[in-house]
Amino acid sequence: DSGVTQTPKHLITATGQRVTLRCSPRSGDLSVYWYQQSLDQGLQFLIQYYNGEERAKGNILERFSAQQFPDLHSELNLSSLELGDSALYFCASSVGPSYGYTFGSGTRLTVV
Amino acid sequence: AQSVTQLDSQVPVFEEAPVELRCNYSSSVSVYLFWYVQYPNQGLQLLLKYLSGSTLVKGINGFEAEFNKSQTSFHLRKPSVHISDTAEYFCAVTFTSGNTPLVFGKGTRLSVIA
Repeated sequence: DSGVTQTPKHLITATGQRVTLRCSPRSGDLSVYWYQQSLDQGLQFLIQYYNGEERAKGNILERFSAQQFPDLHSELNLSSLELGDSALYFCASSVGPSYGYTFGSGTRLTVV
Repeated sequence: AQSVTQLDSQVPVFEEAPVELRCNYSSSVSVYLFWYVQYPNQGLQLLLKYLSGSTLVKGINGFEAEFNKSQTSFHLRKPSVHISDTAEYFCAVTFTSGNTPLVFGKGTRLSVIA
């Protein structure tokens, strides 16, 4: 157990639907990062939050949004889902850049 | 912006043989470097990191990596691999200043053959 909890582990949904992925960071970590992992694109950074505020944005689609709540858990919302959104979505947390990240076990999203 | 190139997408190696997984980065400023391992159906786990100082860093599971600033490389090595080392390995980089997210290479699939 890495200390970063992601739910659900698996999600199967239809095109056009909306889903929410949840992440609880490791205790004491203020930063939360979301990454998308696919076979062709590798690990792509989506968005970072630090203590409730958005800190950095990567290649995140407008159909995707995220937030970090006062208790530091984070949610990634994916809407108007397309087949190409099928991927593994990872959450990671950190106390700072020199410490590296602690990753959750991921949510495997399948859009059918 | 920084970038990472992992030169080999797949590396097959026999059990108990040595292995080197190559990583090159591109950045005009100081960086922190990391190697992560991903076992099937799991998240990424930190193997080792280079922050500053000694260019040879040791990590978990007998892995080590050498930072070479002139060649902008951070290759991962293990003198004798085990079947259990079969996994995907990712090199990652971030700037030492600011709070920029980690940028990952596309990964190297290490397959250890009995």
